[in-house]
Amino acid sequence: NAGVTQTPKFQVLKTGQSMTLQCAQDMNHNSMYWYRQDPGMGLRLIYYSASEGTTDKGEVPNGYNVSRLNKREFSLRLESAAPSQTSVYFCASRDRGLSYEQYFGPGTRLTVT
Amino acid sequence: ILNVEQSPQSLHVQEGDSTNFTCSFPSSNFYALHWYRWETAKSPEALFVMTLNGDEKKKGRISATLNTKEGYSYLYIKGSQPEDSATYLCALYNQGGKLIFGQGTELSVKP
Repeated sequence: NAGVTQTPKFQVLKTGQSMTLQCAQDMNHNSMYWYRQDPGMGLRLIYYSASEGTTDKGEVPNGYNVSRLNKREFSLRLESAAPSQTSVYFCASRDRGLSYEQYFGPGTRLTVT
Repeated sequence: ILNVEQSPQSLHVQEGDSTNFTCSFPSSNFYALHWYRWETAKSPEALFVMTLNGDEKKKGRISATLNTKEGYSYLYIKGSQPEDSATYLCALYNQGGKLIFGQGTELSVKP
């Protein structure tokens, strides 16, 4: 099992450009999440999908859109990148239920100039 | 917005010291609390998932307790080793499926 995979690992964008971060999991998990990690801020939830076909906003959704393409894949789109979106982005998944842990992907380091 | 707070923000200890950190959260509508260990340049990895008041979990030298009535959890490391150096995150799981993280406690263990 590959677990949670993310592409790309690194990306540099210019202000105003768009891009999509891809995430896939092969553990048959129901729930998937997108977080951003900034120095001193911990992990902040951008969007999540509790199950296939549903998406909900997290703490910091502005400037992002998501698509739960199927049970395996959950993508994050930046329509018009801004320097404030420079961050490390983590995708995660977990099975539904109280006692299940979350599994994280390796992260995507994004720089917006 | 759920407010998950961790203290201290950072901690520097000597090898062999025992240490503990705190995670505080709203006690109402509690569903589950997670602890994760996050090493630099890696992804967070789960340590414990705790759901019941009074839960105590242990993994090697690391253990955790949970008090849902007063809204806190403690993480203990006995006899810290340099390889324990990492950021320790707690996260609160709510009914809607969100997992909201605290800012973490950064632990540095000097040999």
